[in-house]
Amino acid sequence: GDSVTQMEGPVTLSEEAFLTINCTYTATGYPSLFWYVQYPGEGLQLLLKATKADDKGSNKGFEATYRKETTSFHLEKGSVQVSDSAVYFCALKGDQGFQKLVFGTGTRLLVSP
Amino acid sequence: NAGVTQTPKFQVLKTGQSMTLQCAQDMNHEYMSWYRQDPGMGLRLIHYSVGAGITDQGEVPNGYNVSRSTTEDFPLRLLSAAPSQTSVYFCATSEGGGYTFGSGTRLTVV
Repeated sequence: GDSVTQMEGPVTLSEEAFLTINCTYTATGYPSLFWYVQYPGEGLQLLLKATKADDKGSNKGFEATYRKETTSFHLEKGSVQVSDSAVYFCALKGDQGFQKLVFGTGTRLLVSP
Repeated sequence: NAGVTQTPKFQVLKTGQSMTLQCAQDMNHEYMSWYRQDPGMGLRLIHYSVGAGITDQGEVPNGYNVSRSTTEDFPLRLLSAAPSQTSVYFCATSEGGGYTFGSGTRLTVV
């Protein structure tokens, strides 16, 4: 079945450092790919998405490119802030039937001043 | 604009007790689903519904029941709580490819 693998955390960075969180997936067909963010004590919020190969999703300085050839959707940000500290989930939604979201295990990001 | 409302936010149960986690939405979305979040395991689908009167099992349905009598509400019932059901539970709706999550219910079973 469909699955998502993302790097284990925590990822600890200093403010203004470059961020990469790796995400790879296994799926049949042409899934849509997502990054969700969860701030402490809150639910999940959609950060960005891409629905087809070579699409780039972007939001709040974060970017991720849908790479079908490498089945990857890595999350990047050029300069992180303390306020970016959160748990980040990569997810996919298949293109057949009920389109449930399949999540990775999440990566905790800690940004220090 | 409330979106997806989950109640309660926190709950402690004794083993064997039953309870219902409530989920209500005001967006008229057809799809609703329940996930549980456990450390190191991401979110796993418990049950989902594609419309009023229609429900189906997800990845981890055992010990949980759902029903969908209206578009707005999708309650999750724990029939006989077990410590393994200690988790954070999220309700979500979806429409046109976008998902909206509630703020979660943190359940502890002792």
